[in-house]
Amino acid sequence: QQQVRQSPQSLTVWEGETAILNCSYEDSTFNYFPWYQQFPGEGPALLISIRSVSDKKEDGRFTIFFNKREKKLSLHITDSQPGDSATYFCAASEAGGYKVVFGSGTRLLVSP
Amino acid sequence: ETAVFQTPNYHVTQVGNEVSFNCKQTLGHDTMYWYKQDSKKLLKIMFSYNNKQLIVNETVPRRFSPQSSDKAHLNLRIKSVEPEDSAVYLCASSPLGYYAEQFFGPGTRLTVL
Repeated sequence: QQQVRQSPQSLTVWEGETAILNCSYEDSTFNYFPWYQQFPGEGPALLISIRSVSDKKEDGRFTIFFNKREKKLSLHITDSQPGDSATYFCAASEAGGYKVVFGSGTRLLVSP
Repeated sequence: ETAVFQTPNYHVTQVGNEVSFNCKQTLGHDTMYWYKQDSKKLLKIMFSYNNKQLIVNETVPRRFSPQSSDKAHLNLRIKSVEPEDSAVYLCASSPLGYYAEQFFGPGTRLTVL
Protein backbone atom coordinates (compact mmCIF):
# COMPACT_ATOMS: atom_id res chain seq x y z
CA GLN A 1 0.00 0.00 0.00
CA GLN A 2 1.51 3.26 -1.13
CA GLN A 3 0.91 5.82 1.58
CA VAL A 4 2.52 8.78 -0.18
CA ARG A 5 1.87 9.36 -3.85
CA GLN A 6 3.64 11.77 -6.15
CA SER A 7 2.78 13.09 -9.58
CA PRO A 8 3.82 13.51 -12.23
CA GLN A 9 6.48 10.82 -12.44
CA SER A 10 8.54 13.14 -14.61
CA LEU A 11 8.23 16.77 -15.55
CA THR A 12 10.00 18.99 -18.07
CA VAL A 13 9.80 22.77 -17.89
CA TRP A 14 11.65 25.60 -19.60
CA GLU A 15 14.10 27.75 -17.74
CA GLY A 16 12.23 30.55 -15.99
CA GLU A 17 8.92 28.68 -15.74
CA THR A 18 7.26 27.46 -12.54
CA ALA A 19 7.48 23.74 -11.90
CA ILE A 20 4.66 22.22 -9.84
CA LEU A 21 5.21 18.86 -8.16
CA ASN A 22 2.27 17.17 -6.48
CA CYS A 23 2.03 14.90 -3.46
CA SER A 24 -0.84 13.24 -1.60
CA TYR A 25 -1.03 11.03 1.45
CA GLU A 26 -3.48 8.70 3.13
CA ASP A 27 -2.63 8.51 6.81
CA SER A 28 -4.28 11.29 8.83
CA THR A 29 -1.69 10.92 11.57
CA PHE A 30 1.01 12.34 9.30
CA ASN A 31 1.77 15.89 10.36
CA TYR A 32 5.23 16.68 9.02
CA PHE A 33 6.12 16.74 5.35
CA PRO A 34 9.71 17.22 4.17
CA TRP A 35 10.73 17.44 0.54
CA TYR A 36 14.07 16.04 -0.52
CA GLN A 37 16.11 16.85 -3.62
CA GLN A 38 18.41 14.24 -5.15
CA PHE A 39 20.99 14.84 -7.85
CA PRO A 40 22.46 11.91 -9.81
CA GLY A 41 25.19 10.13 -7.86
CA GLU A 42 24.26 11.77 -4.58
CA GLY A 43 22.01 10.98 -1.65
CA PRO A 44 18.77 12.92 -1.13
CA ALA A 45 19.10 16.25 0.66
CA LEU A 46 16.43 17.96 2.72
CA LEU A 47 15.15 20.92 0.70
CA ILE A 48 12.14 22.35 2.52
CA SER A 49 9.51 21.06 4.92
CA ILE A 50 6.11 21.97 6.33
CA ARG A 51 4.06 21.05 9.38
CA SER A 52 0.36 20.36 9.11
CA VAL A 53 -0.52 23.43 11.16
CA SER A 54 0.61 25.59 8.23
CA ASP A 55 -0.80 25.88 4.74
CA LYS A 56 2.22 27.47 3.13
CA LYS A 57 5.98 27.45 3.55
CA GLU A 58 8.31 29.52 1.45
CA ASP A 59 12.08 29.39 1.06
CA GLY A 60 13.43 31.44 -1.79
CA ARG A 61 12.16 30.01 -5.07
CA PHE A 62 10.68 26.95 -3.35
CA THR A 63 7.17 27.02 -1.86
CA ILE A 64 5.07 24.26 -0.34
CA PHE A 65 1.29 24.59 -0.46
CA PHE A 66 -0.56 22.29 1.95
CA ASN A 67 -4.23 21.30 2.01
CA LYS A 68 -4.93 19.27 5.12
CA ARG A 69 -8.58 18.59 4.30
CA GLU A 70 -7.72 17.06 0.95
CA LYS A 71 -4.46 15.49 2.21
CA LYS A 72 -2.56 17.08 -0.62
CA LEU A 73 0.49 19.23 -0.94
CA SER A 74 2.54 20.64 -3.76
CA LEU A 75 6.01 22.01 -4.26
CA HIS A 76 6.28 25.04 -6.51
CA ILE A 77 9.65 25.98 -7.95
CA THR A 78 9.47 29.45 -9.45
CA ASP A 79 11.94 30.76 -12.03
CA SER A 80 13.20 27.21 -12.59
CA GLN A 81 16.90 26.87 -13.39
CA PRO A 82 18.77 24.04 -15.15
CA GLY A 83 20.52 23.43 -11.83
CA ASP A 84 17.14 22.50 -10.34
CA SER A 85 17.08 19.38 -12.54
CA ALA A 86 16.88 16.55 -10.04
CA THR A 87 14.54 14.00 -8.50
CA TYR A 88 12.26 15.40 -5.80
CA PHE A 89 10.83 13.22 -3.07
CA CYS A 90 7.85 14.09 -0.92
CA ALA A 91 7.90 12.39 2.47
CA ALA A 92 5.57 12.17 5.45
CA SER A 93 5.91 11.37 9.11
CA GLU A 94 4.08 11.74 12.39
CA ALA A 95 5.35 13.49 15.47
CA GLY A 96 7.52 11.18 17.55
CA GLY A 97 7.33 8.45 14.95
CA TYR A 98 10.54 6.81 13.81
CA LYS A 99 9.28 6.00 10.40
CA VAL A 100 9.36 8.32 7.41
CA VAL A 101 7.40 7.33 4.32
CA PHE A 102 8.80 8.49 0.99
CA GLY A 103 6.91 8.96 -2.23
CA SER A 104 8.18 7.52 -5.48
CA GLY A 105 9.69 10.80 -6.62
CA THR A 106 9.27 13.24 -9.50
CA ARG A 107 12.12 13.65 -11.96
CA LEU A 108 12.35 17.28 -12.96
CA LEU A 109 14.22 18.45 -16.04
CA VAL A 110 14.65 22.15 -16.60
CA SER A 111 15.58 22.91 -20.20
CA PRO A 112 17.61 26.03 -20.95
CA GLU B 1 33.74 18.23 8.07
CA THR B 2 30.40 17.06 9.45
CA ALA B 3 28.48 14.72 7.19
CA VAL B 4 27.49 11.13 6.49
CA PHE B 5 30.23 9.06 4.93
CA GLN B 6 29.84 5.74 3.14
CA THR B 7 32.36 3.23 1.85
CA PRO B 8 32.82 1.86 -0.70
CA ASN B 9 31.32 4.01 -3.44
CA TYR B 10 30.86 1.03 -5.74
CA HIS B 11 31.05 -2.71 -5.36
CA VAL B 12 30.74 -5.41 -8.01
CA THR B 13 30.46 -9.01 -6.88
CA GLN B 14 29.24 -12.42 -7.87
CA VAL B 15 26.05 -14.15 -6.75
CA GLY B 16 26.53 -15.93 -3.45
CA ASN B 17 29.34 -13.73 -2.13
CA GLU B 18 29.24 -11.76 1.12
CA VAL B 19 29.59 -7.98 1.13
CA SER B 20 29.82 -5.32 3.82
CA PHE B 21 29.14 -1.62 3.58
CA ASN B 22 30.24 0.97 6.08
CA CYS B 23 28.59 4.16 7.24
CA LYS B 24 29.82 6.83 9.60
CA GLN B 25 28.21 10.11 10.59
CA THR B 26 29.99 12.99 12.25
CA LEU B 27 26.85 15.04 12.87
CA GLY B 28 26.36 13.88 16.43
CA HIS B 29 23.01 12.32 15.58
CA ASP B 30 21.44 9.53 17.60
CA THR B 31 19.48 7.77 14.85
CA MET B 32 20.83 6.10 11.73
CA TYR B 33 19.15 4.35 8.81
CA TRP B 34 19.80 2.09 5.86
CA TYR B 35 17.74 2.54 2.71
CA LYS B 36 17.69 0.62 -0.53
CA GLN B 37 17.14 2.66 -3.71
CA ASP B 38 16.33 0.69 -6.82
CA SER B 39 16.85 1.57 -10.46
CA LYS B 40 13.53 3.45 -10.51
CA LYS B 41 14.74 5.64 -7.63
CA LEU B 42 12.27 4.13 -5.17
CA LEU B 43 13.48 4.54 -1.59
CA LYS B 44 12.80 1.67 0.78
CA ILE B 45 13.70 1.81 4.47
CA MET B 46 15.49 -1.31 5.63
CA PHE B 47 16.71 -0.65 9.15
CA SER B 48 16.74 2.12 11.69
CA TYR B 49 18.95 2.33 14.77
CA ASN B 50 18.58 4.70 17.69
CA ASN B 51 21.73 5.00 19.79
CA LYS B 52 22.94 1.53 18.79
CA GLN B 53 19.56 -0.14 19.29
CA LEU B 54 17.46 -1.48 16.44
CA ILE B 55 14.12 0.32 16.34
CA VAL B 56 12.84 -0.39 12.83
CA ASN B 57 13.39 -3.58 10.92
CA GLU B 58 11.35 -3.65 7.78
CA THR B 59 10.65 -6.89 6.00
CA VAL B 60 13.97 -7.61 4.39
CA PRO B 61 15.55 -10.97 3.60
CA ARG B 62 17.47 -12.53 6.48
CA ARG B 63 20.70 -12.35 4.51
CA PHE B 64 20.75 -8.62 5.36
CA SER B 65 22.09 -7.75 8.80
CA PRO B 66 22.92 -4.34 10.25
CA GLN B 67 25.76 -3.86 12.70
CA SER B 68 26.26 -0.89 15.01
CA SER B 69 29.32 -0.42 17.20
CA ASP B 70 28.34 3.03 18.44
CA LYS B 71 25.80 5.67 17.55
CA ALA B 72 28.06 7.15 14.88
CA HIS B 73 28.54 3.92 12.92
CA LEU B 74 26.05 1.66 11.19
CA ASN B 75 27.29 -1.03 8.84
CA LEU B 76 25.34 -3.37 6.59
CA ARG B 77 26.32 -6.93 5.81
CA ILE B 78 24.75 -9.01 3.07
CA LYS B 79 25.41 -12.73 3.17
CA SER B 80 25.12 -14.59 -0.11
CA VAL B 81 24.05 -11.75 -2.39
CA GLU B 82 21.47 -12.30 -5.10
CA PRO B 83 20.88 -10.42 -8.39
CA GLU B 84 17.90 -8.53 -6.96
CA ASP B 85 20.21 -7.00 -4.37
CA SER B 86 21.72 -4.82 -7.08
CA ALA B 87 20.81 -1.28 -6.01
CA VAL B 88 22.15 1.81 -4.31
CA TYR B 89 22.32 1.50 -0.54
CA LEU B 90 21.91 4.80 1.25
CA CYS B 91 22.84 5.49 4.83
CA ALA B 92 21.22 8.39 6.68
CA SER B 93 21.12 9.92 10.13
CA SER B 94 18.81 12.26 12.00
CA PRO B 95 18.80 14.19 15.26
CA LEU B 96 16.94 12.71 18.19
CA GLY B 97 13.24 13.49 17.88
CA TYR B 98 13.59 14.86 14.34
CA TYR B 99 13.36 11.58 12.50
CA ALA B 100 12.05 13.06 9.29
CA GLU B 101 14.97 15.47 8.96
CA GLN B 102 17.45 13.00 7.61
CA PHE B 103 20.93 13.58 6.28
CA PHE B 104 21.98 11.10 3.63
CA GLY B 105 25.34 9.79 2.57
CA PRO B 106 26.27 9.52 -1.13
CA GLY B 107 25.35 5.85 -1.28
CA THR B 108 27.06 2.59 -2.20
CA ARG B 109 26.15 1.17 -5.59
CA LEU B 110 26.08 -2.63 -5.53
CA THR B 111 26.12 -4.67 -8.73
CA VAL B 112 25.60 -8.40 -8.46
CA LEU B 113 26.66 -10.37 -11.51
